[in-house]
Amino acid sequence: AQTVTQSQPEMSVQEAETVTLSCTYDTSESDYYLFWYKQPPSRQMILVIRQEAYKQQNATENRFSVNFQKAAKSFSLKISDSQLGDAAMYFCAISGWGTYKYIFGTGTRLKVLA
Amino acid sequence: DAGVTQSPTHLIKTRGQQVTLRCSPKSGHDTVSWYQQALGQGPQFIFQYYEEEERQRGNFPDRFSGHQFPNYSSELNVNALLLGDSALYLCASSLGLTNQPQHFGDGTRLSIL
Repeated sequence: AQTVTQSQPEMSVQEAETVTLSCTYDTSESDYYLFWYKQPPSRQMILVIRQEAYKQQNATENRFSVNFQKAAKSFSLKISDSQLGDAAMYFCAISGWGTYKYIFGTGTRLKVLA
Repeated sequence: DAGVTQSPTHLIKTRGQQVTLRCSPKSGHDTVSWYQQALGQGPQFIFQYYEEEERQRGNFPDRFSGHQFPNYSSELNVNALLLGDSALYLCASSLGLTNQPQHFGDGTRLSIL
């Protein structure tokens, strides 16, 4: 079975500053994918970034980057130059190779302060 | 480029009733997954449809059933509604049975009285 744990129910960051959201996971599979999704009040889950476990290089998408520590089963999201539009719920998720279903964490609510 | 669309946006039902939620996948996608998101929780996987067959199922009772049509759209049916079925129901689509990212709709908010 796969599990995802997000230990920070809520985080705050000043506009233009950097914030890191934590995620740990557990899986018995050697190949899997990790995701960060953003869910604003509009409810739609939006893909922020995706990491393939067999790739050692950390994924980056503009202001969003991850710190993937496979041995520690840790997958944190760093948001640089935070913007007001970044305020949302952020969910970490895992998908096993060949299973295609996502297991989500409980989410972290990010507040961006002007 | 049409994204994932779900209907209705909001639905109110009473205990014991039955409900049908609908989803049209993103253009070019052929696989549909359904998730239940209770208030304050992360989404939980219900099941996934590909080529009109249920391919995977999460830990949900048989009261939850689905269907996929030849045009790849999908329905989620829930029978004998319970108060605990109140949640946001999210539909996600993807291409084939692959690990390509799933694209989500805005969800249907189901309230059970």
